[in-house]
Amino acid sequence: EAGVVQSPRYKIIEKKQPVAFWCNPISGHNTLYWYLQNLGQGPELLIRYENEEAVDDSQLPKDRFSAERLKGVDSTLKIQPAELGDSAVYLCASSPGPPTDTQYFGPGTRLTVL
Amino acid sequence: RKEVEQDPGPFNVPEGATVAFNCTYSNSASQSFFWYRQDCRKEPKLLMSVYSSGNEDGRFTAQLNRASQYISLLIRDSKLSDSATYLCVVNRMDSSYKLIFGSGTRLLVRP
Repeated sequence: EAGVVQSPRYKIIEKKQPVAFWCNPISGHNTLYWYLQNLGQGPELLIRYENEEAVDDSQLPKDRFSAERLKGVDSTLKIQPAELGDSAVYLCASSPGPPTDTQYFGPGTRLTVL
Repeated sequence: RKEVEQDPGPFNVPEGATVAFNCTYSNSASQSFFWYRQDCRKEPKLLMSVYSSGNEDGRFTAQLNRASQYISLLIRDSKLSDSATYLCVVNRMDSSYKLIFGSGTRLLVRP
């Protein structure tokens, strides 16, 4: 079974540029998560989707970050404009949904903002 | 104060040693508990769930003390391949399946 797929794996951009990350969850997983992980820290939730509905986006900086999951399958996370402090690993995870709370992570996108 | 606290380590141990990691959580509404393993520059992967009665998976034993809001992970007979960061994770059911990750404890197993 294929795992969570993310692209690109690495991205280097200059500050103030836009950037987008893509995630394809495990087939049949209704719940999708975007996390941010800084060096030496655990992942922090940015947004959680149940199918196409964003059910928890309280941690998403909405002034510059946006996300969508239009058909309830793959998802895109966008940053516009990027700032130096956005340099981090952006992880996507998926889960079959309640009552299962095990999450399966993709390999992440490592973003460097210069 | 972070909601899930871990000693960052690193714990540097010889092969064959027994090592224990501890984790405390502050939100009493936490209902599910896990240990995830994260290798360098890789994604986190579920190592094991933690049950109130304690559970064991081969060389790994996890324990939960709800009264003290404390979780532990014991690794016996350490292998070089156990070198990784171990993330303590809790699920706050009041936030509906929102996992809260600790910062992780780094383990280095030397030959």
